[in-house]
Amino acid sequence: EDQVTQSPEALRLQEGESSSLNCSYTVSGLRGLFWYRQDPGKGPEFLFTLYSAGEEKEKERLKATLTKKESFLHITAPKPEDSATYLCAVQAGLGTGKLIFGQGTTLQVKP
Amino acid sequence: KAGVTQTPRYLIKTRGQQVTLSCSPISGHRSVSWYQQTPGQGLQFLFEYFSETQRNKGNFPGRFSGRQFSNSRSEMNVSTLELGDSALYLCASSEIAGTDLGELFFGEGSRLTVL
Repeated sequence: EDQVTQSPEALRLQEGESSSLNCSYTVSGLRGLFWYRQDPGKGPEFLFTLYSAGEEKEKERLKATLTKKESFLHITAPKPEDSATYLCAVQAGLGTGKLIFGQGTTLQVKP
Repeated sequence: KAGVTQTPRYLIKTRGQQVTLSCSPISGHRSVSWYQQTPGQGLQFLFEYFSETQRNKGNFPGRFSGRQFSNSRSEMNVSTLELGDSALYLCASSEIAGTDLGELFFGEGSRLTVL
């Protein structure tokens, strides 16, 4: 059964304190791994797509990496506005909007 | 351009009633997916429509149904509501050709409370 597990559930950082979020997955034939950001009361916002092991993508203070079993979202020198829930998801089939999501990591960055 | 629009944003129903939620995708997007989000289960896939056809369905009972219209707008219906149906229902749209598959654009959701 396809499954996505994220850790930690919650993370508190001081502004400027870099860290990483983990997403472990088991899927029969990875089509794509996705990172989303969700702010309270809002829908998830797309961040990255990763397709194959070794791939990396960056956006401002965020960098996503992918191995054959897991993905990491590295946050460098975070700011309070980076506080949000970060969701990882895998695509269940090619060309489909069916994603399997992890439970998310809630990040709080204190000034 | 305008994002995904969901209506209503909030609603309260009682057990046994039914509810219909509406979703207008981004202009030009032909695929619409629905997800249920709860604190305990997280985001769970309900169904996906493309060109008025259901392409995928999640593991939800038959009380949950949906449809898509020729203008790509979509509705989902939940009949005989149960307390456990209380959740945030999220609609997402996407282009199929020429973009990263799985790059879904979500609306802000319809928060359903069942009393």
